[in-house]
Amino acid sequence: QLQLQESGPGLEKPSETLSLTCIVSGGSISSNSYYWGWIRQPPGKGLEWIGSIYYSGSIYYNPSLKSRVTISVDTSKNQFSLNLNSVTAADTAVYYCARETKYCSGGNCYLSWFDPWGQGTLVTVSS
Amino acid sequence: EIVLTQSPGTLSLSPGERATLSCRASQSVGNNYLAWYQQKPAQAPRLLIYGASSRATGIPDRFSGSGSGTDFTLTISRLEPEDSAVYSCQQYGSSPVLTFGGGTKVEIK
Repeated sequence: QLQLQESGPGLEKPSETLSLTCIVSGGSISSNSYYWGWIRQPPGKGLEWIGSIYYSGSIYYNPSLKSRVTISVDTSKNQFSLNLNSVTAADTAVYYCARETKYCSGGNCYLSWFDPWGQGTLVTVSS
Repeated sequence: EIVLTQSPGTLSLSPGERATLSCRASQSVGNNYLAWYQQKPAQAPRLLIYGASSRATGIPDRFSGSGSGTDFTLTISRLEPEDSAVYSCQQYGSSPVLTFGGGTKVEIK
């Protein structure tokens, strides 16, 4: 059974870089059937997609965060990571990692739905 | 970017009643590529529906999804106490840009 676990600091200072890692167990991150995504949820608010990565390195970012986000993958450790720089209080959120089905139709492949998700980790940005 | 608007904000119903949740898109969702998630307090979201109407593995058949274009619906046919949660929709029709709706909270009286 595939499991994902986020890890990283729970507190960041404004203007610094938020760094999280998602460790994947019970399955290979190098599967050609899945992307791997990051999603966040500010307290009391809705979900926001941050970005997704394929094991070979193809990466897609939310345009609204693209200038500050870097997602990378380490297939040797079966994990992928998120860096978000120049953080502010608005970046305070629960950060989730999730597996994302690579949905192919008519010769094209797409990002799609997220399943399963990690338990999430709260990152607070405060001085 | 496709904006998803969910309504109502909160739905308060009794066990056994039918819940109808709406997800409206600012423009047509390509191929009806829409998913629904259930999120209970302090838990991660759980996939319920993908492709607008396909149930995910292990999801009870009281959950059903329908709709096309800009209007989508999640129906819970007979509410049970454990269905109390926030339900969110997500579109992937404009892949590789994904968006979520703001969520509908379902309360069981």
